[in-house]
Amino acid sequence: GQNIDQPTEMTATEGAIVQINCTYQTSGFNGLFWYQQHAGEAPTFLSYNVLDGLEEKGRFSSFLSRSKGYSYLLLKELQMKDSASYLCAVRDRRDDKIIFGKGTRLHILP
Amino acid sequence: EPEVTQTPSHQVTQMGQEVILRCVPISNHLYFYWYRQILGQKVEFLVSFYNNEISEKSEIFDDQFSVERPDGSNFTLKIRSTKLEDSAMYFCASSVRGLAGGLADTQYFGPGTRLTVL
Repeated sequence: GQNIDQPTEMTATEGAIVQINCTYQTSGFNGLFWYQQHAGEAPTFLSYNVLDGLEEKGRFSSFLSRSKGYSYLLLKELQMKDSASYLCAVRDRRDDKIIFGKGTRLHILP
Repeated sequence: EPEVTQTPSHQVTQMGQEVILRCVPISNHLYFYWYRQILGQKVEFLVSFYNNEISEKSEIFDDQFSVERPDGSNFTLKIRSTKLEDSAMYFCASSVRGLAGGLADTQYFGPGTRLTVL
């Protein structure tokens, strides 16, 4: 079966750093995606990891450990516009589809 | 920057009616997808489409659903006899490649069509 777990909600302060964790159990693995989704809008691509390690892109970084079935998204220098849901999604090796987690709703306080 | 477009943005229909949701994927993309998201719930895969045929579909994608690429640019999702539980946001997505792996497989989402079944 496929299972992707991430916290339901998190709160952080403007200017701070926050780490959103994701664990997954899937029958195969061919990459992990992070998407950002503002309320009522479409998911937008943030990052993609297929090998172990850290990928940095501006204020956002994503980490993957395939042996642990674990990833995190790190957001630095938080801005109010970062208030959104962050979706962890895994591509199964055999399937041409992406399985999404339920998302983590991030609230940024001034 | 190229983007996926979807029409209409909001569709209201009566239960039992047929609806067609339309999408124009990014022009050089070869793989097309439909997802749905019921309000407050997670994004759920419906179907993927490549080379004019379905490559994968989920258990949600039953006989009431069909997809078509009627010409070189449009990609449609038809729901034959809508039910109340079909009310959701429907997202179209496209990617350059599917199974090959790599960042080129990133799926880019359209803005969605909000379907309301009364």
